[in-house]
Amino acid sequence: AQSVTQLGSHVSVSEGALVLLRCNYSSSVPPYLFWYVQYPNQGLQLLLKYTTGATLVKGINGFEAEFKKSETSFHLTKPSAHMSDAAEYFCAVSVLGATNKLIFGTGTLLAVQP
Amino acid sequence: NAGVMQNPRHLVRRRGQEARLRCSPMKGHSHVYWYRQLPEEGLKFMVYLQKENIIDESGMPKERFSAEFPKEGPSILRIQQVVRGDSAAYFCASSQTDRGATGELFFGEGSRLTVL
Repeated sequence: AQSVTQLGSHVSVSEGALVLLRCNYSSSVPPYLFWYVQYPNQGLQLLLKYTTGATLVKGINGFEAEFKKSETSFHLTKPSAHMSDAAEYFCAVSVLGATNKLIFGTGTLLAVQP
Repeated sequence: NAGVMQNPRHLVRRRGQEARLRCSPMKGHSHVYWYRQLPEEGLKFMVYLQKENIIDESGMPKERFSAEFPKEGPSILRIQQVVRGDSAAYFCASSQTDRGATGELFFGEGSRLTVL
């Protein structure tokens, strides 16, 4: 069975500072990994995804994540936080060929201080 | 190309009433997923449907909840005899599975149910 753990339910950074949101996964087969962002009272929007190939993936809004199999991690980073990045971020894992359902972590709420 | 459409966006029900939430997937998508998001929690998988078939309902409560995705029309999540604990945001997502698919789900904006 697949599972996702997001360390830190709340993260606060200053505007312009590095953003690092942590995600560790558990999967018995090669996983597909995703980061979604949710703004208040909205649905989820895909930030980026890892399926196969290059382990460093770039997404929208300047975010990127690196798949590290040895560490079972898929941490999300952004070099310089912007006020508009304040939102909740969800890491998710799926196994293609099964039901395609995504298993989500509990989310990390990112606050950006001026 | 419209995205996943959910309605109503907000629904208020009294305890014991029924709630019906609708979801129209993206054009060309034939796979629908329902998730529930409780306050301060992540998204919990409820059910996965294809047209006229329930594929995986492992996350659905055994009682009062049902889902369908008919040949024509939207997918419907039905909650009978609602209780306060059913208050949550219900998200629908759709996907396309073919050789080009990567498992990505496309989400609607959610239906927020409040039970008084």
